[in-house]
Amino acid sequence: QQQVKQSPQSLIVQKGGIPIINCAYENTAFDYFPWYQQFPGKGPALLIAIRPDVSEKKEGRFTISFNKSAKQFSLHIMDSQPGDSATYFCAATPHYGQNFVFGPGTRLSVLP
Amino acid sequence: DAGVTQSPTHLIKTRGQQVTLRCSPKSGHDTVSWYQQALGQGPQFIFQYYEEEERQRGNFPDRFSGHQFPNYSSELNVNALLLGDSALYLCASSPGTSGISFGPGTRLTVT
Repeated sequence: QQQVKQSPQSLIVQKGGIPIINCAYENTAFDYFPWYQQFPGKGPALLIAIRPDVSEKKEGRFTISFNKSAKQFSLHIMDSQPGDSATYFCAATPHYGQNFVFGPGTRLSVLP
Repeated sequence: DAGVTQSPTHLIKTRGQQVTLRCSPKSGHDTVSWYQQALGQGPQFIFQYYEEEERQRGNFPDRFSGHQFPNYSSELNVNALLLGDSALYLCASSPGTSGISFGPGTRLTVT
């Protein structure tokens, strides 16, 4: 129940494409869902986060779509750039102060 | 404003040895969590410290222990190192009311 599933494992898109990364969870107590971006040799950096009372959130080129009934959420990257090439992790927590459960990650490559 | 800092950057230890990793949280953050990230995997929660006490613990053995100091900095100790302990160890801090900020991590290699 604590697991967060993430797909695909890897993704290759052309510059300007819209990669989509999907995550699913079981624990209905989760109420905060962040996405993190990690470059090689660096710690994860918060990209965008959503709470289940909204179905979509946009910040710049990044959009989270959230389907509470299906217990799924996804990250869309608009107008992707080679600099977006990184590993992306979805995560979930039942409360800000609680531990985060991470998905296994998606390695994104954006070709120039 | 300095973010989360960790030391050392890299560390090589021999199986059976003990290791201590250090973390200074972001200014204004009083809660520190530690995560283990194996190669090619997502971070896994080890434990969280708040007000110098362990508040939560993930599914890690007692060989993993920690401490939080009055200035909110923290240490992660791992005893009797195993080859499987080789990973990137991430420290994360938060003010307890919003998302966490990760440090750059300490790469531990156990040979």
